[in-house]
Amino acid sequence: DADVTQTPRNRITKTGKRIMLECSQTKGHDRMYWYRQDPGLGLRLIYYSFDVKDINKGEISDGYSVSRQAQAKFSLSLESAIPNQTALYFCATSERIAATGELFFGEGSRLTVL
Amino acid sequence: AQSVAQPEDQVNVAEGNPLTVKCTYSVSGNPYLFWYVQYPNRGLQFLLKYITGDNLVKGSYGFEAEFNKSQTSFHLKKPSALVSDSALYFCAVRETGRGSTLGRLYFGRGTQLTVWP
Repeated sequence: DADVTQTPRNRITKTGKRIMLECSQTKGHDRMYWYRQDPGLGLRLIYYSFDVKDINKGEISDGYSVSRQAQAKFSLSLESAIPNQTALYFCATSERIAATGELFFGEGSRLTVL
Repeated sequence: AQSVAQPEDQVNVAEGNPLTVKCTYSVSGNPYLFWYVQYPNRGLQFLLKYITGDNLVKGSYGFEAEFNKSQTSFHLKKPSALVSDSALYFCAVRETGRGSTLGRLYFGRGTQLTVWP
């Protein structure tokens, strides 16, 4: 089983619908992240969480919200999806220790908003 | 502000030839530098990192990267490319120093490597 699991892997929805992307991890890491990947733009950080009580906005948080339900679970919500939120979304985790900084990624959730 | 530049959108090499994927960075403190690889329909996978020490870092799948502080570069290299190396490669930088407990990585836009037989 994957260490970082994202569901769903693919989702097609319509403009205005509410969508939730879920992420769970078995690595025991404190830190979790949501990134968005668009062709030619690399990865952009949406939200990140250093522990259950700590949620922070990233570069492009507008139109998104998150919930850290437990150390192992971090979900991303689009309250009212719009077409320019069509993208590949990645959840990632990392250790608290500052010396590493290595991220561990899920397989991605491809979202299409019509 | 931290930033990473990958000047080439695409790199094409023949199998067996050496490959280089370029990366330059900009940080205000000492950098932690990373390379990640993304195969089709997969998440990003860690390849290697530079934290401190030897400027030549060896990583997974025979890849290595050379840290050059004067040129603020961290180019990814492999002596002999394989067709299976074809993928999207991302360079990333994390700033260190006081106040940098965020641990956030700043990613480049990615370079598509194609190795042809």
